[in-house]
Amino acid sequence: VQMTQSPSYLAASPGESVSISCKASKSISNNLAWYQEKPGKANKLLIHSGSTLQSGTPSRFSGSGSGTDFTLTIRSLESEDFAVYYCQQYNEYPPTFGAGTKLELK
Amino acid sequence: EVQLQQSGAELVRPGTSVKLSCKVSGDTITAYYMHFVKQRPGQGLEWIGRIDPEDDSTKYAEKFKNKATLTADTSSNTAYLKLSSLTSEDTATYFCTTGSYYFDYWGQGVMVTVSS
Repeated sequence: VQMTQSPSYLAASPGESVSISCKASKSISNNLAWYQEKPGKANKLLIHSGSTLQSGTPSRFSGSGSGTDFTLTIRSLESEDFAVYYCQQYNEYPPTFGAGTKLELK
Repeated sequence: EVQLQQSGAELVRPGTSVKLSCKVSGDTITAYYMHFVKQRPGQGLEWIGRIDPEDDSTKYAEKFKNKATLTADTSSNTAYLKLSSLTSEDTATYFCTTGSYYFDYWGQGVMVTVSS
């Protein structure tokens, strides 16, 4: 299953809201996760099952979608949110990732 | 809290092999599938395969079937990734991660550089 993420880069300011899109090449039901990658830190699982927040994920993060189209939304950006975000499908083997979205400070 | 501690960076010659380790602390390794993921410089994430330390069963992505070998040692709570016949295409950061479907915990990654 190919995962297409967009945009590749996104510039925003603290306090703004942003959305990242992830499209699957075939239906994956809601078997989608979102991760955050930051330099020097272990990757962090943010959301699984399309919209279920992992324990410890701030409520300003939300996930939506099912089938082939998914969205990660971050409301009221904080400085710690500037990072790279990946989506991943686990509906079938092999698990596959989107190419990533780099969220940069404007 | 579960933590995954990976071995240090490697500089290896083309044509040789390298074995990377991933030690689990905070829980028993048999509680998880252990996966390895590859990330080439400036690129995205690519799943290599997984091992179930409970029974040593493995599953690999097709392109890694002749490249990667996953093993686990339950006595030391450690999973291993061996990469063989190394080429410049294998220069990357390799992560270990746990999970049945999505990946709950991640190691910090280990950089492998293949160069003569």
